[in-house]
Amino acid sequence: AQSVAQPEDQVNVAEGNPLTVKCTYSVSGNPYLFWYVQYPNRGLQFLLKYITGDNLVKGSYGFEAEFNKSQTSFHLKKPSALVSDSALYFCAVSPPGSSNTGKLIFGQGTTLQVKP
Amino acid sequence: DSGVTQTPKHLITATGQRVTLRCSPRSGDLSVYWYQQSLDQGLQFLIQYYNGEERAKGNILERFSAQQFPDLHSELNLSSLELGDSALYFCASSFAGAKSYNEQFFGPGTRLTVL
Repeated sequence: AQSVAQPEDQVNVAEGNPLTVKCTYSVSGNPYLFWYVQYPNRGLQFLLKYITGDNLVKGSYGFEAEFNKSQTSFHLKKPSALVSDSALYFCAVSPPGSSNTGKLIFGQGTTLQVKP
Repeated sequence: DSGVTQTPKHLITATGQRVTLRCSPRSGDLSVYWYQQSLDQGLQFLIQYYNGEERAKGNILERFSAQQFPDLHSELNLSSLELGDSALYFCASSFAGAKSYNEQFFGPGTRLTVL
């Protein structure tokens, strides 16, 4: 079965420190990978995606993600966290193939708490 | 602001009732996706429409149905509502085609409460 796992329900980090939010996936073939962020009472906002090519993808608000095919992981990173980064982060995968026309399979989400 | 609009923002209704959720995609987007977000199930894909036609189905109950109209807005109909249908329902749209690598833009959601 196709799935996405975010092993940490919550990640706590001090402002100014680097952050990592973990994501692993189980999908046949070469999937397309996404990170979205959800602020309270808001919809999801797209951060970045991996389609092909360079394993390090840069996105919005200084976030980046590293694709690792052998470990089937797509961890979200930021060199220096801000208090305003505190939110709920979702990893998602779009399985390739004609029967999967863009539907997203989401992880359970990870709450990022950045403390001053 | 993603450009995707959803109405209403909140909906409170009783078990057994029927409701309609409405979504207007971003200008130029032909694909509309519906997702359900609940505490126990997380974010789940329900159904996708592309230019008026159903393209993909996910974990959508038979009591639920959707359609996309010629002006590309979409409606999600939920009938015979149960307590467990209480959730946040998101609509998303993607650029032009229905390629699986296009990012989706999400609306603010409709919070449904079934009493």
